[in-house]
Amino acid sequence: NAGVTQTPKFQVLKTGQSMTLQCAQDMNHEYMSWYRQDPGMGLRLIHYSVGAGITDQGEVPNGYNVSRSTTEDFPLRLLSAAPSQTSVYFCASSHTTGGRETQYFGPGTRLLVL
Amino acid sequence: AQKVTQAQTEISVVEKEDVTLDCVYETRDTTYYLFWYKQPPSGELVFLIRRNSFDEQNEISGRYSWNFQKSTSSFNFTITASQVVDSAVYFCALSEARTGGFKTIFGAGTRLFVKA
Repeated sequence: NAGVTQTPKFQVLKTGQSMTLQCAQDMNHEYMSWYRQDPGMGLRLIHYSVGAGITDQGEVPNGYNVSRSTTEDFPLRLLSAAPSQTSVYFCASSHTTGGRETQYFGPGTRLLVL
Repeated sequence: AQKVTQAQTEISVVEKEDVTLDCVYETRDTTYYLFWYKQPPSGELVFLIRRNSFDEQNEISGRYSWNFQKSTSSFNFTITASQVVDSAVYFCALSEARTGGFKTIFGAGTRLFVKA
């Protein structure tokens, strides 16, 4: 199992550019989510998905789009990047077995918007 | 509204000391979930535990233990006999069942330094 993978690891964008952060998991988890982490802060939920075809907004969804066409993939799209979106982005997946949840995080994508 | 407070910004201990990280939460829900995560200096995120609000039993996993007290809205995390590898930022988090348990709110984190 590769777990949760994210690409790219690092990206520099100019204001107004668009890009897609990729996230994939090979554990057949239904639940996936995207977080951003700003310096010295905890994570903030951007969007999440409870299964293929189902997505919903988190705490800070503005400026981001997601889709979930397959169980494995959950890409995050920045339509028009802004300096305020400079952050580290983490993708996560989770499953619950016997009432116990386990979560897995990707290694993160560091995004710099100039 | 839900809120998670980790009042300790930084804690420094010497190896083999026990250390407790505090977490206080606010929620209007009667059913909710509490979490702890570890973020070592390498930057990755490690899930440690999820507790349900209806289960107030304390949990122990090796040197880690968690004390959940509904009466004080606290979910504290204790590391026994700390080791240098425990040095990390630890985050406490909360999600409410009325949002499906999926909308997780994080505390600001506590940075733990364990000195050899």
